[in-house]
Amino acid sequence: DGGITQSPKYLFRKEGQNVTLSCEQNLNHDAMYWYRQDPGQGLRLIYYSQIVNDFQKGDIAEGYSVSREKKESFPLTVTSAQKNPTAFYLCASSRGQGMGISNQPQHFGDGTRLSIL
Amino acid sequence: KQEVTQIPAALSVPEGENLVLNCSFTDSAIYNLQWFRQDPGKGLTSLLLIQSSQREQTSGRLNASLDKSSGRSTLYIAASQPGDSATYLCAVYTGNQFYFGTGTSLTVIP
Repeated sequence: DGGITQSPKYLFRKEGQNVTLSCEQNLNHDAMYWYRQDPGQGLRLIYYSQIVNDFQKGDIAEGYSVSREKKESFPLTVTSAQKNPTAFYLCASSRGQGMGISNQPQHFGDGTRLSIL
Repeated sequence: KQEVTQIPAALSVPEGENLVLNCSFTDSAIYNLQWFRQDPGKGLTSLLLIQSSQREQTSGRLNASLDKSSGRSTLYIAASQPGDSATYLCAVYTGNQFYFGTGTSLTVIP
């Protein structure tokens, strides 16, 4: 079955440590997204990528980095510069720009919960 | 910048009742609007997508409407069940980004 796989489900970060969250999709989608969700707040966009080897900052990119070397994969690194990383991180994908742009449902993974030790 | 608002933030209804969730957005230049369901600690599950040229979409007990000119959408749930208890989020797609509301937490009381 096609879908989005996020791993790990739970992750703990020590002070000064970088951690990487994995996101893999087999939906053949061009566009991928990373969101952060905090209690009582909506999803906030961290980074998105419309095509391989290209990505753009979202609203809260500071302290995060991404890469898009393969269409299927869009890993997110939470760096030590992110002072408040405790949150629920969601990865999503969609077909991206192009034909049928108005019919662009977004599909989500099950999320990674990051906590500070 | 697009802003999406959902009212109410929380809603509690007895089983069997029909209910309406509201979503409003500030910029009508959207390609579509999507309604999602989120269970605690889980990702988002897509419920309905309404393209900008459409007025409504239906799936089972769910009906979503879109009035793009006024920046509003509603999600109607008929004959609510305890299994409908979850947080419901709406999101609008502007062509390169999706903008999400903060969600409505729904509790259906048996």
